[in-house]
Amino acid sequence: NAGVTQTPKFQVLKTGQSMTLQCAQDMNHEYMSWYRQDPGMGLRLIHYSVGAGITDQGEVPNGYNVSRSTTEDFPLRLLSAAPSQTSVYFCASRDPSGGSYNEQFFGPGTRLTVL
Amino acid sequence: GENVEQHPSTLSVQEGDSAVIKCTYSDSASNYFPWYKQELGKRPQLIIDIRSNVGEKKDQRIAVTLNKTAKHFSLHITETQPEDSAVYFCAALWGDNAGNMLTFGGGTRLMVKP
Repeated sequence: NAGVTQTPKFQVLKTGQSMTLQCAQDMNHEYMSWYRQDPGMGLRLIHYSVGAGITDQGEVPNGYNVSRSTTEDFPLRLLSAAPSQTSVYFCASRDPSGGSYNEQFFGPGTRLTVL
Repeated sequence: GENVEQHPSTLSVQEGDSAVIKCTYSDSASNYFPWYKQELGKRPQLIIDIRSNVGEKKDQRIAVTLNKTAKHFSLHITETQPEDSAVYFCAALWGDNAGNMLTFGGGTRLMVKP
């Protein structure tokens, strides 16, 4: 199993540009989520999904859109990039069966710089 | 939603000493508390977790304790080694049957000096 994969690993955007960060998992996990990690800070939840066709907002959703058309994929779209969105983005997935105690797996991250 | 606070933000210890990181949470309904280790430039990885029906859990040199009444839990690392140097995050699981998500603390940068 590849686990959770993310592309690209690095990206530089200009202010106002849009782009999509890709995330995929091959573990058949129902739950997927996106976090951002700013320098010296913790992980803040952007959006999450509890299954195909279901998404919800996390702590910092403004400026981002998500969709979940399949169990495997959970792309994150930046609508109009701003310097404040410079961060490392982590995608994660988890299997909620068994009492919701299962381990959450993270992807390798995408380092995004907005100029 | 849940709010998780983590202290200290940085911790420096000598190799062989113990390290303790503490977290508090706000939602008394939270029932699962994992700890993640993140090495520089890498993804966070689970190192230990505890459920609300357990007060303590150990795995070799690491242990986690939970006080549900006070709503706080702690990570204990004994006999620290240089490879323990990393950022550690605590988290708490919140939400209802419609979906459970993890809220993370702000992280603790642990430095183990040889």
